[in-house]
Amino acid sequence: DIVMTQSPDSLAVSLGERATINCKSSQSILYNSDNKNYLTWYQQKPGQPPKVLISWASTRESGVPDRFSGSGSGTDFTLTISSLQAEDVAVYYCQQYFTIPRTFGQGTKVEIK
Amino acid sequence: EVQLVESGGGLVQPGGSLRLSCSASGFTFSVYSMNWVRQAPGRGLEWVSYITSTSGTIYYADSVKGRFTVSRDNAKNSLYLQMNSLRDEDSAIYYCASSNGSLDNWGQGTLVTVSS
Repeated sequence: DIVMTQSPDSLAVSLGERATINCKSSQSILYNSDNKNYLTWYQQKPGQPPKVLISWASTRESGVPDRFSGSGSGTDFTLTISSLQAEDVAVYYCQQYFTIPRTFGQGTKVEIK
Repeated sequence: EVQLVESGGGLVQPGGSLRLSCSASGFTFSVYSMNWVRQAPGRGLEWVSYITSTSGTIYYADSVKGRFTVSRDNAKNSLYLQMNSLRDEDSAIYYCASSNGSLDNWGQGTLVTVSS
């Protein structure tokens, strides 16, 4: 199984400041035939299901604010919130869909400092 | 508008069974692969099962293999999860989610509590 490890487990950031979350996979999730990274970032707010923010490691979903961006390739990925807003308080998960079983990172809780 | 609505959760004793349903609307259910994902209270996300659009390919997490069975009825726009031999550690919110690569759309979930 591919293990997804996120860091940090939690972080507190001031409003308007940058938040950075890392995700590392135990093996490459870059598919050579299409040169795509099979990684998604989700945002989950309390009492709600997860919501896709970014797929293919760096493609922002329609309607997602452009302060959210994804980067990385192979085994190392990053979700950046360029200017944290109050509504961004949530738990963020990375997930690989390169292979079965689909696996998630343990989650990173983002709070306001 | 895409909607996924889970039902069938509840309180069940260890060793018991439960059948979850997921009703889909607002998209062409029959062409999408579907998943079940669960989340224990206060914990992270765990993928449970995957079924292709035609039910031709099915996968399970090792933790539920041999106990859970996923199925779908495209004529009824519905997805199911038959859960047998339930254990305490199966207690969680169970979500259904469509997939086209990512798990694009999620329901609100249904709570399963396994307890004596």
